[in-house]
Amino acid sequence: SQQGEEDPQALSIQEGENATMNCSYKTSINNLQWYRQNSGRGLVHLILIRSNEREKHSGRLRVTLDTSKKSSSLLITASRAADTASYFCAPNTGTYKYIFGTGTRLKVLA
Amino acid sequence: DTGVSQDPRHKITKRGQNVTFRCDPISEHNRLYWYRQTLGQGPEFLTYFQNEAQLEKSRLLSDRFSAERPKGSFSTLEIQRTEQGDSAMYLCAIYNQDRENTEAFFGQGTRLTVV
Repeated sequence: SQQGEEDPQALSIQEGENATMNCSYKTSINNLQWYRQNSGRGLVHLILIRSNEREKHSGRLRVTLDTSKKSSSLLITASRAADTASYFCAPNTGTYKYIFGTGTRLKVLA
Repeated sequence: DTGVSQDPRHKITKRGQNVTFRCDPISEHNRLYWYRQTLGQGPEFLTYFQNEAQLEKSRLLSDRFSAERPKGSFSTLEIQRTEQGDSAMYLCAIYNQDRENTEAFFGQGTRLTVV
């Protein structure tokens, strides 16, 4: 299925540390997107990586994609308290009908 | 600003009442999606439109739910005879199919509480 599964389910780190979360999926994809959701709010698009890309950077975010392993990772460097949120991956086969997992709940302690 | 406006942001209703939510894309996007999200879970797909045509409905969308996109721009989601299990965040997302490999944008959602 097009479902993305995030791992770990929860992550707690100190401010300034790096946070890494992983995503696994089962089908071939056109691209994969990562979203952030603050408590009680909508999803904010973070970064999109195409199937022919292996790594992408945006500010403190680094995303990797391994299509042979059907996995992706999101690295947040030098984390801040404001990064506290849930993070979801969205593997896209072209329909943009996402099937989300339960996300990774990141807590950054000040 | 994600380019998607949802109204209302919060709605409290009594069980058995009907409610209607609205999603307004700020710019033109031919695809519009509705999702539902309960506490601690990821968003679940409900339905999507290609312009004004409703192309797919999830099994989650019971006959008490109806969605429309009359002119291919804004969309409404109506829930009739609400039940406590309908309490959730309802999210709208848009995507421009004519632009490949671009992101889908989500609105801030409408939080429904059925009491």
